[in-house]
Amino acid sequence: QEQMVESGGGVVQPGRSLRLSCAASGFTFSSHAMHWVRQTPGKGLEWVAVISSDGRQKYYADSVEGRLTISRDNSKGALYLQMNSLRPEDTAIYYCARNKGSGWTLDYWGQGTRVTVSS
Amino acid sequence: DIQMTQSPSSLSASEGDRVTITCRASQRIGSLLNWFQQKPGNAPKLLISDATSLRPGVPSRFSASGSGTDFTLTISSLEPEDFATYYCQQSFSTPLTFGGGTKIQIK
Repeated sequence: QEQMVESGGGVVQPGRSLRLSCAASGFTFSSHAMHWVRQTPGKGLEWVAVISSDGRQKYYADSVEGRLTISRDNSKGALYLQMNSLRPEDTAIYYCARNKGSGWTLDYWGQGTRVTVSS
Repeated sequence: DIQMTQSPSSLSASEGDRVTITCRASQRIGSLLNWFQQKPGNAPKLLISDATSLRPGVPSRFSASGSGTDFTLTISSLEPEDFATYYCQQSFSTPLTFGGGTKIQIK
């Protein structure tokens, strides 16, 4: 059964860094692109980034480009989001999600990890 | 970026009602449109992909249609477990974008 479990969230001061992790199981991780999506009460669901199955291609939302970095370790079944220069507007629940196959359909999601950026 | 506009943002309905939600894209996206259901405290759940394809296990009271810029999600007869928030998402191009959501509340 496909499962993703996020971790690494917490409270952090503006300008600091945080690294989120997503542990995947129940499917062949190395065969799927993976996404990070965040959700805030005010802005709803916001796609953050995607990484190809082999990790070579990465795409980002403009709002996070240059500050957040997506990566993966296929040997561990793990997805990461390195978050640098954090801003209050990065406060959200962060979800990792599996890409279904061809195209950009997010078919399975983790339960999310909460990030709060506040002084 | 492709903007996704959902309407209404919320609605009140009763069990057994037929409900339709609309999603409009700011440019043509073919059939590259997905629908998600989200309940409080849970992650979004994929209901429908590629505009009309019901995911395995999703009840047949859910259906969807549309192509190009205009799409609809219909629930033929609301069940108690359907009271939730629904989002559309375009899968045509990055950045992927979501609609603002439609919250279905009990009347």
